[in-house]
Amino acid sequence: GAVVSQHPSRVICKSGTSVKIECRSLDFQATTMFWYRQFPKQSLMLMATSNEGSKATYEQGVEKDKFLINHASLTLSTLTVTSAHPEDSSFYICSARGPGQGWGTQYFGPGTRLLVL
Amino acid sequence: QKEVEQDPGPLSVPEGAIVSLNCTYSNSAFQYFMWYRQYSRKGPELLMYTYSSGNKEDGRFTAQVDKSSKYISLFIRDSQPSDSATYLCAMLAGLSASKIIFGSGTRLSIRP
Repeated sequence: GAVVSQHPSRVICKSGTSVKIECRSLDFQATTMFWYRQFPKQSLMLMATSNEGSKATYEQGVEKDKFLINHASLTLSTLTVTSAHPEDSSFYICSARGPGQGWGTQYFGPGTRLLVL
Repeated sequence: QKEVEQDPGPLSVPEGAIVSLNCTYSNSAFQYFMWYRQYSRKGPELLMYTYSSGNKEDGRFTAQVDKSSKYISLFIRDSQPSDSATYLCAMLAGLSASKIIFGSGTRLSIRP
C-alpha cells in the first residue's frame, strides 16, 4: 500500500520559535496533501489542503500566516508553525492522495507530536 | 450540534468478545462511511469503507450503515488484544465533497 512518512515524529520547542514538519509520499506522487490537527481525545480537524504547485486552501479559523504550508513537489509538503505557542501543542497528521483518486482516498502519515513549552 | 457524534469510551472488553462501536450523524448528505483504526501516537489507517446503507464484512470486521436512522456501526468478532486502539468513524458527502468529517474516536481496550 501507499506509504506516507512524517518528520520529525516528535518535537519540543520553546514558545516563540518556528517549527517545520515534513510530509513525504514514499511510493506515489501526491498531487494533494492534507494537514490535520488532533488534540487529545478529540477528532482530526482538517487545517488545510494543498495541491502541488499551488497555494494551500485553509479551513475557516486556521491562520494561514501562522501555519505556512508549502507543497513544492509531488512527494513533499511542509507545515511550518511560526512563532509557536503552548496552545499550538498538538498532534499534527498529514495525509496524501494521488492523481485521479477521490477525496475518500487518503493515506495518512504517522503524525508529529508538537510540544511547545 | 456536531456533524458526527461518537462515544469516546474508553470501552474495555475481554478477549474473544464481540465489540460494537457506533456513530451517529446529522448530515443526510453523507454517502460514504469509513472506519479508521488509530494506534497510540500513530496516524489513522483505513479499516472499512462503505457506500450508502447496508452491511459490509471483512474478516472479523463488519460495518453497518443505517441511513434512515443516521447511525453507523462497526462490529469486531473474536476480539484480540491487538485490536486495542482508537477507532474513528468518518464520513464523506460524496467523492467530490470537500473534506472528510471524522468522529472523535472511541478508545477500545481488549483484556487478555
